[in-house]
Amino acid sequence: GIQVEQSPPDLILQEGANSTLRCNFSDSVNNLQWFHQNPWGQLINLFYIPSGTKQNGRLSATTVATERYSLLYISSSQTTDSGVYFCAVEFWEYGNKLVFGAGTILRVKS
Amino acid sequence: EPEVTQTPSHQVTQMGQEVILRCVPISNHLYFYWYRQILGQKVEFLVSFYNNEISEKSEIFDDQFSVERPDGSNFTLKIRSTKLEDSAMYFCASSEGKGGSYEQYFGPGTRLTVT
Repeated sequence: GIQVEQSPPDLILQEGANSTLRCNFSDSVNNLQWFHQNPWGQLINLFYIPSGTKQNGRLSATTVATERYSLLYISSSQTTDSGVYFCAVEFWEYGNKLVFGAGTILRVKS
Repeated sequence: EPEVTQTPSHQVTQMGQEVILRCVPISNHLYFYWYRQILGQKVEFLVSFYNNEISEKSEIFDDQFSVERPDGSNFTLKIRSTKLEDSAMYFCASSEGKGGSYEQYFGPGTRLTVT
């Protein structure tokens, strides 16, 4: 069946460190989005990235659709980066909806 | 920048009561969605809506739930006879089009607590 798997499940960083979060998906995709869920529960759109590479400040993302994975890079992490990071995928043959992974819980310590 | 808005931000209701969660999608968007997230769990798709009818719904979206676009701007989710397990964060989203190259934009969510 279709799957969206994120790794690692938990990550603790010291402020200033870099990190890479991974999202593997099981089938061809129309759409892939990365979100940050803040402590208030809001989902913040980070990237819409069904393929290719994008950068936004200290964050960047790469999706290699042919190999069915996406990576989110966080550089020079700050305490405000803490929260849960979700990958969400819309599969070609699974209808017009996003399927979310279980998330990576990131804690950045000062 | 246009954004999806949701009201209320937090709703507390008693078991068995009806609740209506409201959303204002981005104005030129055509597709609307509801998702929910039970505390500590994944975000799950509930329903999508296009051209004044349900486009797709999940197994979660049973007869207890209904959606409506009562006017040109609002999109609502009604939950009849709420249960304790309906306690969750409910997110509304909208997109310009369907599938393919259309990003879904999410609102800030409504936290529903059923007591």
